[in-house]
Amino acid sequence: GNSVTQMEGPVTLSEEAFLTINCTYTATGYPSLFWYVQYPGEGLQLLLKATKADDKGSNKGFEATYRKETTSFHLEKGSVQVSDSAVYFCALSDLGRDDKIIFGKGTRLHILP
Amino acid sequence: SQTIHQWPATLVQPVGSPLSLECTVEGTSNPNLYWYRQAAGRGLQLLFYSVGIGQISSEVPQNLSASRPQDRQFILSSKKLLLSDSGFYLCAWSLTGQGDQETQYFGPGTRLLVL
Repeated sequence: GNSVTQMEGPVTLSEEAFLTINCTYTATGYPSLFWYVQYPGEGLQLLLKATKADDKGSNKGFEATYRKETTSFHLEKGSVQVSDSAVYFCALSDLGRDDKIIFGKGTRLHILP
Repeated sequence: SQTIHQWPATLVQPVGSPLSLECTVEGTSNPNLYWYRQAAGRGLQLLFYSVGIGQISSEVPQNLSASRPQDRQFILSSKKLLLSDSGFYLCAWSLTGQGDQETQYFGPGTRLLVL
């Protein structure tokens, strides 16, 4: 079945550091890939998505590229801010299979000023 | 534009008491609806999803149930809460028909503490 694996946290960085959160997936079809972000005490928000191989999703300085050859969708940001502290979830959706999203377990990110 | 509401925002209930959490969506018709639970410091667990009025699929057998009495209303219930029911409950919706049917949009959540 489909699955998502992302790096365990917490990840602690200093402000302005470079961020990478790794995410790999297993899928039998042609899934779309997502990154969601959850700020403290809130629901999840869509951060970015990519629907096919080699697509790059981007938003708020974050980027992720859909790599089919490595089955990966790593999240990157060149210079993080304290306000980026949150939990980040990698996810996939395969509408050819069902209407559900498969989420990774989440990675907690702490940014120190 | 579409919005999703959940209430209450926070709830403290004794073990063995009943539960009713409500979720409503505005600005769209016939959405798919989802209930997730997030235990403290852990990932998301899909509990129920619904593709239409009265149509509920259960992902995890437990003492919770869900109902969809109206197109844009989704209710999570329990007759007797357990300590293990504590967590953060999230409702989500996605489009059906035309448009982006893959992205799910989440409500603000309900934090439930069972004592």
